[in-house]
Amino acid sequence: DGGITQSPKYLFRKEGQNVTLSCEQNLNHDAMYWYRQDPGQGLRLIYYSQIVNDFQKGDIAEGYSVSREKKESFPLTVTSAQKNPTAFYLCASSIGRDEKLFFGSGTQLSVL
Amino acid sequence: GIQVEQSPPDLILQEGANSTLRCNFSDSVNNLQWFHQNPWGQLINLFYIPSGTKQNGRLSATTVATERYSLLYISSSQTTDSGVYFCAGPPNAGNNRKLIWGLGTSLAVNP
Repeated sequence: DGGITQSPKYLFRKEGQNVTLSCEQNLNHDAMYWYRQDPGQGLRLIYYSQIVNDFQKGDIAEGYSVSREKKESFPLTVTSAQKNPTAFYLCASSIGRDEKLFFGSGTQLSVL
Repeated sequence: GIQVEQSPPDLILQEGANSTLRCNFSDSVNNLQWFHQNPWGQLINLFYIPSGTKQNGRLSATTVATERYSLLYISSSQTTDSGVYFCAGPPNAGNNRKLIWGLGTSLAVNP
């Protein structure tokens, strides 16, 4: 079945540690996105990529980094510079910009 | 920037009831989308609806782009309809094409 796979489902970060969230899609979509969701809030864009080897900052990119070495994969690293990382992280993809958006099941990141 | 207002913010229904959710944009947007987030966090795209009306089972959506609003109709609601409904769309003009999201309508359907 085609879809977007995020892993792990739950992740815990220690102080000063970098952690990486995985996002893989087999929909052959060009565009991929990372969103952050805080309790009771809407979605805020962290980074997005329209094509392999290219990505753009979203509204809250500070403390995060991404790579897009393969069309299928768009991992997100939460660095130690992100002082308030506890949130629900959602990966999404679309055929192209402004097209219908599909989401993975999310990763809940918490700080130990 | 463009503001998105969703109403009502919270809604409680008895199973079988109908409801209408509204999404207002402060400026014109393209390619409006409606999403449902279930209690486990999964976001499902319900409609991709730049304009006009679409129907999918008990759900239908209407977007009036010229008046900058969209409506989501839920008929004969079921407990599985519970969750948060979001609307989102990219601005119609300018270089910033990122989706603008509403804060959602939280729906609880009681048996």
